[in-house]
Amino acid sequence: DAGITQSPRHKVTETGTPVTLRCHQTENHRYMYWYRQDPGHGLRLIHYSYGVKDTDKGEVSDGYSVSRSKTEDFLLTLESATSSQTSVYFCAISERTSGSTRYEQYFGPGTRLTVT
Amino acid sequence: AQRVTQPEKLLSVFKGAPVELKCNYSYSGSPELFWYVQYSRQRLQLLLRHISRESIKGFTADLNKGETSFHLKKPFAQEEDSAMYYCALSPMNTGFQKLVFGTGTRLLVSP
Repeated sequence: DAGITQSPRHKVTETGTPVTLRCHQTENHRYMYWYRQDPGHGLRLIHYSYGVKDTDKGEVSDGYSVSRSKTEDFLLTLESATSSQTSVYFCAISERTSGSTRYEQYFGPGTRLTVT
Repeated sequence: AQRVTQPEKLLSVFKGAPVELKCNYSYSGSPELFWYVQYSRQRLQLLLRHISRESIKGFTADLNKGETSFHLKKPFAQEEDSAMYYCALSPMNTGFQKLVFGTGTRLLVSP
């Protein structure tokens, strides 16, 4: 599992409240990503990071912000949650496939967020 | 623009039947193509990539640049193959991967 954990695993929150999801990794990976998974849309990239304090926007970044103050933690914040942000959120890292020069992404277990 | 299309939301087959999950992509260069799989209550994981040209769990996928397709095939489906399958594209093989995913196909293999 490339040492990736996510917290919380489930959360229910009310519209308009801020929410922070945490991705934690223990293997010093440089690149980290946040995706959301929705039926009919697959996985879409929200934000990504290529190092401490180096982040950039993905395909669906509106309403989200991220921070990476240390290598092991990549935080995703919904500044004011809306019902359209009800989704399953996945964190990922990219690393070389074992025994290969190729890279692949390893995913966390996901966080199911419901905004009521 | 980069795009990955998986036309089938659900593919239902019987055990032992052949399976083909379709994937088409649009990209102007030479991307790297992947199939990811998500079994029930498990993490998304890499199944195979076009550059490896290998068979994983009996699945193969051939990149057809002329048709811009990367279909996933298995000659004899098993019940344990039931899962969500995503085709994905990366513009380059570097440590940083900006993957573009298709919408996914749910494969259901019945006994």
